Amino acid sequence: AQSVTQLDSQVPVFEEAPVELRCNYSSSVSVYLFWYVQYPNQGLQLLLKYLSGSTLVESINGFEAEFNKSQTSFHLRKPSVHISDTAEYFCAVSESNYKLTFGKGTLLTVNP
Amino acid sequence: DVKVTQSSRYLVKRTGEKVFLECVQDMDHENMFWYRQDPGLGLRLIYFSYDVKMKEKGDIPEGYSVSREKKERFSLILESASTNQTSMYLCASSLTGGRHQPQHFGDGTRLSIL
Repeated sequence: AQSVTQLDSQVPVFEEAPVELRCNYSSSVSVYLFWYVQYPNQGLQLLLKYLSGSTLVESINGFEAEFNKSQTSFHLRKPSVHISDTAEYFCAVSESNYKLTFGKGTLLTVNP
Repeated sequence: DVKVTQSSRYLVKRTGEKVFLECVQDMDHENMFWYRQDPGLGLRLIYFSYDVKMKEKGDIPEGYSVSREKKERFSLILESASTNQTSMYLCASSLTGGRHQPQHFGDGTRLSIL
């Protein structure tokens, strides 16, 4: 079975600072990768996904993630964070036609 | 946009009760999922359904059952609630099978078993 490791359970940063949320996965086959965001008291929303093609994928709100096959990583980055980015972020890998395997989440807290 | 609606945001029940959590999606999605979310454990799949009346166990099905009588509705049933089932429950749906399909989530039901 595939597994997803999010190396940091909590990441505190100051507003306008850059941030990187790390995600590593275990798989010996081709993968599809996702980042989801969960704002307080809400469900998960899809932030971005890697299916194929360019290894750098972007979201509409300034986040980007890079697929690195050799390092089996899919780290999420943003060059300048806002208070409104405070949320929990989940990395997920598509394991089968139906199942997503999620990491345990990283709580990003942006302080003024 | 896909809308996944969970019938209750907060629910308090007693040990031993039979509990129903309801989920409805409005985009004719084939697949529906139930997860529980606990601090430090992330999301764990309880059950999923890939068609009406079809269901498959996920990673932690013990103590739960599901029902999918109509395509848009997927119910999670706690046959005899216990305190260790206190959790956040998330419903999700996806358009079809296929590893590239993202899942769309409801806002969750925070269930407390006293």
